[in-house]
Amino acid sequence: AQKITQTQPGMFVQEKEAVTLDCTYDTSDPSYGLFWYKQPSSGEMIFLIYQGSYDQQNATEGRYSLNFQKARKSANLVISASQLGDSAMYFCAMRDNRDDKIIFGKGTRLHILP
Amino acid sequence: GAGVSQTPSNKVTEKGKYVELRCDPISGHTALYWYRQSLGQGPEFLIYFQGTGAADDSGLPNDRFFAVRPEGSVSTLKIQRTERGDSAVYLCASSQGLAGVTSTDTQYFGPGTRLTVL
Repeated sequence: AQKITQTQPGMFVQEKEAVTLDCTYDTSDPSYGLFWYKQPSSGEMIFLIYQGSYDQQNATEGRYSLNFQKARKSANLVISASQLGDSAMYFCAMRDNRDDKIIFGKGTRLHILP
Repeated sequence: GAGVSQTPSNKVTEKGKYVELRCDPISGHTALYWYRQSLGQGPEFLIYFQGTGAADDSGLPNDRFFAVRPEGSVSTLKIQRTERGDSAVYLCASSQGLAGVTSTDTQYFGPGTRLTVL
């Protein structure tokens, strides 16, 4: 069965520092996609970055990058040069080719300190 | 362009009442999804539409929950005989519905409807 695990319920990081949010996943399907979403206090889920299981390179989108380690089934999100506006809940999610729904982890609440 | 919109943003109802939650997807997106998010949890899948038909309704918790998308655009999630346990944020998402490459089909979410059942 599909599963997403985020082991960090909360993190505090100093502004301008880099932060890594952990995510491990489990699926038996060789074709799948991994997503990270940001949910600020307003509640909207904001798509950040996508990594396909067959992608040869780690995905990057501006200050966001995904550290994809396929053998370890790990898809950590790295935020460089953190900003106060990065404070939010972050969800790791997965979708495979057997299914159309996204499975979400429980999330990590990130606090950026001034 | 316009994103996914959901109305109402907040809904307070009494136990036993009927409610309807509306979702307007991104124009041109054929796939539409409903999720439910309880406090402190990640969203949980409810139902998925491809066009007008429900392709997967395995996440609907029971037969009090029903959703329609009659013209393949706007969708309505309907909850009958609401219970206090139905209180949550109901999120709608849409995607292009890319055939054959479903794992790359990024879903974009609306702001959600916060449902409170008293």
